[in-house]
Amino acid sequence: EIVLTQSPTTMAASPGEKVTLTCLASSSVNYMYWYQQKSSASPKLLIYYTSSLASGVPDRFSGSGSGTSYSLTISSMEAEDAAIYYCLQLTSTPPTFGAGTKLELK
Amino acid sequence: EVQLVETGGGLVQPGRSLKLSCVASGFTFNNYWMSWTRQAPGKGLEWVASITNSGGSTYYPDSVKGRFTISRDNAQNTLYLQMNSLRSEDTATYYCTRDVGGGYDPPFFDYWGQGVMVTVSS
Repeated sequence: EIVLTQSPTTMAASPGEKVTLTCLASSSVNYMYWYQQKSSASPKLLIYYTSSLASGVPDRFSGSGSGTSYSLTISSMEAEDAAIYYCLQLTSTPPTFGAGTKLELK
Repeated sequence: EVQLVETGGGLVQPGRSLKLSCVASGFTFNNYWMSWTRQAPGKGLEWVASITNSGGSTYYPDSVKGRFTISRDNAQNTLYLQMNSLRSEDTATYYCTRDVGGGYDPPFFDYWGQGVMVTVSS
């Protein structure tokens, strides 16, 4: 099973600040997927195929990476971006999620 | 608008069974793979099961294989998860997802339902 390690575990960012979240895979994967989960809500797809923006997602979100190293970037932090972010790999069975990064507003 | 509405959760004793349902609307159900993913209280996400659009193939992680069965009724636009021999570690919110794409990777989870809570306790 591929293990996804997300870092940092928790962070706080000020409005307007650039934020970069990292997801490292224990083996190479084809793509990475990113989800946002706000408290008590269901996860929402942000990024698919590593860098494609899901419908309705603000363009301040972007994804990049390849092989075993991937990142999610928020170009300018907004209050509504406070949430937990999860990465997901589907290349190898079983699909696995990272443990999540909790992003708070400073 | 894509909608996924899960029902059937509740409190169940260890060793007993429970069946979850997910009614889909807003898209052509029989064109899409579907999956279940769960989240234990305060924990991360864990994939539970997937089914192809025809229902001809199903997939499970080792943690639920042999105990859980995913199925679908394309005439009723409904996805199911039959859970047998439930354990305390199955306590979680269960989400139904629509799966899209395919190619180098299997389909990914694009839309999620609101979730249904399952509590396994005596």
